Amino acid sequence: DGGITQSPKYLFRKEGQNVTLSCEQNLNHDAMYWYRQDPGQGLRLIYYSQIVNDFQKGDIAEGYSVSREKKESFPLTVTSAQKNPTAFYLCASSNRWDTQYFGPGTRLTVL
Amino acid sequence: AQKVTQAQTEISVVEKEDVTLDCVYETRDTTYYLFWYKQPPSGELVFLIRRNSFDEQNEISGRYSWNFQKSTSSFNFTITASQVVDSAVYFCALSEDMNYGGSQGNLIFGKGTKLSVKP
Repeated sequence: DGGITQSPKYLFRKEGQNVTLSCEQNLNHDAMYWYRQDPGQGLRLIYYSQIVNDFQKGDIAEGYSVSREKKESFPLTVTSAQKNPTAFYLCASSNRWDTQYFGPGTRLTVL
Repeated sequence: AQKVTQAQTEISVVEKEDVTLDCVYETRDTTYYLFWYKQPPSGELVFLIRRNSFDEQNEISGRYSWNFQKSTSSFNFTITASQVVDSAVYFCALSEDMNYGGSQGNLIFGKGTKLSVKP
């Protein structure tokens, strides 16, 4: 089945650690996105990539990093510089300039 | 600047009632896209509909219908004869037209409306 997978579903991080969230898609989409969702809030864009080996900062990129070495994969690293990383993280993909489809999400908790 | 407002934070209805979720948007672009997504308790966002700014026809899909009015900058969503399975958070979102120098199709989300349908 075609779709977007995110792993892990739940992730726990100690303060000062970097963690990497995985996002893979087999929809042959060019574009991929990372969003953050806090309780009672809408989604806010962290990073996006329209093509392999290229990505752009979104509205809240500080404390995060990404890479786009393959079309299918867009991992997000939450660094120790992110002061309040506890949130629900959603990955999405789309054909360029088309509807975005979302993965199941990763819930990150800082201990 | 772009903005999406969903003034209803939470709505609670009894099964079989009709319910309308409001969405008001702001944009200076003449070409843009509007979306509705559903987020059930599992967390994944499910795409429901996409509308471009030139198409003001209302859309009906089963028990779902959408009313797009450019004159009031609104894109409201109605569920007819609601069911318990409709319980979720619903998000309205807006994106610019990427062909005219927009921000690469990034979505601007409202804060969502939590719908609870009780049996």
